[in-house]
Amino acid sequence: DAGITQSPRHKVTETGTPVTLRCHQTENHRYMYWYRQDPGHGLRLIHYSYGVKDTDKGEVSDGYSVSRSKTEDFLLTLESATSSQTSVYFCAISEGRDPIYEQYFGPGTRLTVT
Amino acid sequence: GQNIDQPTEMTATEGAIVQINCTYQTSGFNGLFWYQQHAGEAPTFLSYNVLDGLEEKGRFSSFLSRSKGYSYLLLKELQMKDSASYLCAAMDSNYQLIWGAGTKLIIKP
Repeated sequence: DAGITQSPRHKVTETGTPVTLRCHQTENHRYMYWYRQDPGHGLRLIHYSYGVKDTDKGEVSDGYSVSRSKTEDFLLTLESATSSQTSVYFCAISEGRDPIYEQYFGPGTRLTVT
Repeated sequence: GQNIDQPTEMTATEGAIVQINCTYQTSGFNGLFWYQQHAGEAPTFLSYNVLDGLEEKGRFSSFLSRSKGYSYLLLKELQMKDSASYLCAAMDSNYQLIWGAGTKLIIKP
């Protein structure tokens, strides 16, 4: 158990509203990731972090921003939610000092944008 | 571009053996990962290969051929609880995982 929690676990929101998803870890891992998972697609990286205030974009970062002000928390914000952002969002950590190690996932957040 | 291919769905019988194939094309290569994902749950790590050859871990084994851009996951003595999606992911030169869409494995009694 990598000690990863996500909140909320489920959310329904309206188009145009901002939404923030939280990922919390308890084991001081350096690397944290946000993915989305949609039917017919593999997991797609949105943003990742390699330390406090150190973040970078992934494959599908448009419309998303992140912040990491503490080691244990990595926040994902949808600045103005759209229906195309309806998805399951997973947070992950890399269990090692380097990103080459396997990643462990939180339980996921199911987001529906109406 | 970067790409991972794996079959969409496979069916096997309880107690049998099944092999799930994965081919990859990435910019650089830092290893091949297999994950298991039950419906409605998060992916869980199964195996990691970075050198050619077979890695065995209980009923599960994973094989890698770097020259062919090919990996497979071998599941032996299938149990009903092995019904899940199996995700193949290759790590590129930027240490980012490129994921396949997953193979849904259906186990029949």
